[in-house]
Amino acid sequence: EPEVTQTPSHQVTQMGQEVILRCVPISNHLYFYWYRQILGQKVEFLVSFYNNEISEKSEIFDDQFSVERPDGSNFTLKIRSTKLEDSAMYFCASSTTHYYGYTFGSGTRLTVV
Amino acid sequence: TQLLEQSPQFLSIQEGENLTVYCNSSSVFSSLQWYRQEPGEGPVLLVTVVTGGEVKKLKRLTFQFGDARKDSSLHITAAQTGDTGLYLCAGASSGTYKYIFGTGTRLKVLA
Repeated sequence: EPEVTQTPSHQVTQMGQEVILRCVPISNHLYFYWYRQILGQKVEFLVSFYNNEISEKSEIFDDQFSVERPDGSNFTLKIRSTKLEDSAMYFCASSTTHYYGYTFGSGTRLTVV
Repeated sequence: TQLLEQSPQFLSIQEGENLTVYCNSSSVFSSLQWYRQEPGEGPVLLVTVVTGGEVKKLKRLTFQFGDARKDSSLHITAAQTGDTGLYLCAGASSGTYKYIFGTGTRLKVLA
């Protein structure tokens, strides 16, 4: 069964450093998303991406965050200057349409120290 | 602010019992999804419902979307230990790409 692949599975970084989280969505999917889940809390929407541009972003997704689809297969989330409160599980997801066929990856656990 | 409240928060039952978990909001959703999430893993989509009053069945799981599209329920018949996990509902409003996730129901099915 097709799956969304995320790397790395775990990333530890120093506060203030830049991190790039990588995702390979399902190949025929058109919509791409990043969500995050702070330990013990709800899954939260960060950003959606369609047709090579951001279609929607949450208030969490400030100027420190950016997304890119550099080569037609990878989908990346960059955090420019990490803060302690960025520590969370980051999930990439992709879907066939706006509502259907959502598939989440296994996540990247980001720990900022 | 849109909120999705799930109840109960925790549920522990014996194998073979039936159960229902609920997902409620004061907001209207164009689409509602149910997921199951295992520890350390991403949510796995179980079903998407988009029509008020819609009922979908997935083996022993029955999902219902409320007529007013503000609430949903998940009913499991004859629960098995493999049903243990965190069940999440998520709703999206018309004209938006983002899903708002509920607080989750943690289900434990005992042998």
